[in-house]
Amino acid sequence: QVQLVQSGAEVKKPGASVKVSCKASGDTFTSSYMHWVRQAPGQGLEWVGMINPTGGHTTYAQQLQGRVTMTRDTSTSTVYMELNNLRSEDTAVYYCAREIRQQNYYVMDVWGQGTTVTVSS
Amino acid sequence: DIQMTQSPSSLSASVGDGVTITCRASQNVKTYLNWYQQKPGKAPNLLIYGASILQTGVPPRFSGSGSGTDFSLNISGLQTEDFATYYCHQSYSTPPIIFGQGTRLEIK
Repeated sequence: QVQLVQSGAEVKKPGASVKVSCKASGDTFTSSYMHWVRQAPGQGLEWVGMINPTGGHTTYAQQLQGRVTMTRDTSTSTVYMELNNLRSEDTAVYYCAREIRQQNYYVMDVWGQGTTVTVSS
Repeated sequence: DIQMTQSPSSLSASVGDGVTITCRASQNVKTYLNWYQQKPGKAPNLLIYGASILQTGVPPRFSGSGSGTDFSLNISGLQTEDFATYYCHQSYSTPPIIFGQGTRLEIK
C-alpha cells in the first residue's frame, strides 16, 4: 500500500528557510506527479506546487514563485519542498499528495500526514 | 486560471438528514471535478472524481453530479463520521490547482 511519510514539525523565525520532506513507499515514486498543498490555521486548502519525480520538472503557485523550490531524490523516493524568506502568513500545515490517473481523470489519491510549519519571532 | 466557488460555506444538519453542497467553476470543466473530505487534524481524503465516480471505499450515501460549470455533492442519511469540511477542485485545466473555499458540515 502506498504511503507518504513527511518530516516533523518546524518552528522558524521570519526570514528563515524551511525544507520539508515527503518519502514515498512502493513503486509509485517515478510514475506519479507529487503535489504540495498547504493549509493555514482555520483556513482552506492552498496549492503550493508540483514536481515530476522522473525529470524533476516543477510548477509553482504564482504567489510563491521565487520563494519555493521543489526537488527530489530518486534514490530515496523522497521529494522536498523548500520555502525561503518565511513570513508569518506561511504558518500552515504542509501536505504532500500523490497524483495519479484514474479513468482518464487526475486525482490526488494519497496524502502525507502533514507537517506543521510555524513562523514566529 | 479557473476559479471555484462553493456554497454554502457552512451547513448544519442532523444525523440521518440529506444535504447538498454545490461547486461552481468559472469556466467549463466538463466532468473534471473532484471532491475531498477533510476531518479536523487530518489530511484531505478523495471522495469523488470525474464529477460522479466514487473513489474505492467511499460509502454509496455519497454521490456527485454535474458537468460544465455546476456541480453537486450529495450526502444522504448523514452519519456522525460525515461531519467534516468538503472541498472541490477541477482537474480539466491545471496547473494551477485551485480549491473551492470549503463547506463545513456541522451537527445540528
